Amino acid sequence: DGGITQSPKYLFRKEGQNVTLSCEQNLNHDAMYWYRQDPGQGLRLIYYSQIVNDFQKGDIAEGYSVSREKKESFPLTVTSAQKNPTAFYLCASRRSGESTDTQYFGPGTRLTVL
Amino acid sequence: QKEVEQDPGPLSVPEGAIVSLNCTYSNSAFQYFMWYRQYSRKGPELLMYTYSSGNKEDGRFTAQVDKSSKYISLFIRDSQPSDSATYLCAMSAGGNNRLAFGKGNQVVVIP
Repeated sequence: DGGITQSPKYLFRKEGQNVTLSCEQNLNHDAMYWYRQDPGQGLRLIYYSQIVNDFQKGDIAEGYSVSREKKESFPLTVTSAQKNPTAFYLCASRRSGESTDTQYFGPGTRLTVL
Repeated sequence: QKEVEQDPGPLSVPEGAIVSLNCTYSNSAFQYFMWYRQYSRKGPELLMYTYSSGNKEDGRFTAQVDKSSKYISLFIRDSQPSDSATYLCAMSAGGNNRLAFGKGNQVVVIP
């Protein structure tokens, strides 16, 4: 089955720790995205990548980092510099050359800071 | 003014009723419009996609776009308890790789 997988489903972090969220897709999509979702805030774009070895900051990139070494993978690291990291994190991908910009989402990772 | 406005609800309706959701937007360049459905603690799934103005129907779901008013709607006929979810509108100008999202509207269908 083609799709986007995110792991883990739930993640707990202590103050001062860095954690990495995994996102993998087998849809052969070029573009990938990371969003953060908080109650009442909607989806906010953290980082996105249109091609391997290239990525751009979104609207709330501070305290986060990403890499895009493979087309299938776009991991997100939540660093200790992120002041309020407890949230639901969503990864998405988009087929290149599709003018509609339609994105397809993974199941999400819920991160909680203890 | 936010680029996309969507009333967060919650909207509670009895089973079998028509659900009406809408979003307004400010960017006249938007021409691709999407509705996503998100169940609790799950990722959003694409429900409907519409290009430019007009209507699109898919089973019990109808999406409408009025570009002159910068207003889009989603109607759910014969609503079911399984329709209880948050519905997010999204839109783009096309080709710029980013979507503008509404905040989502929570719908509860009461059996």
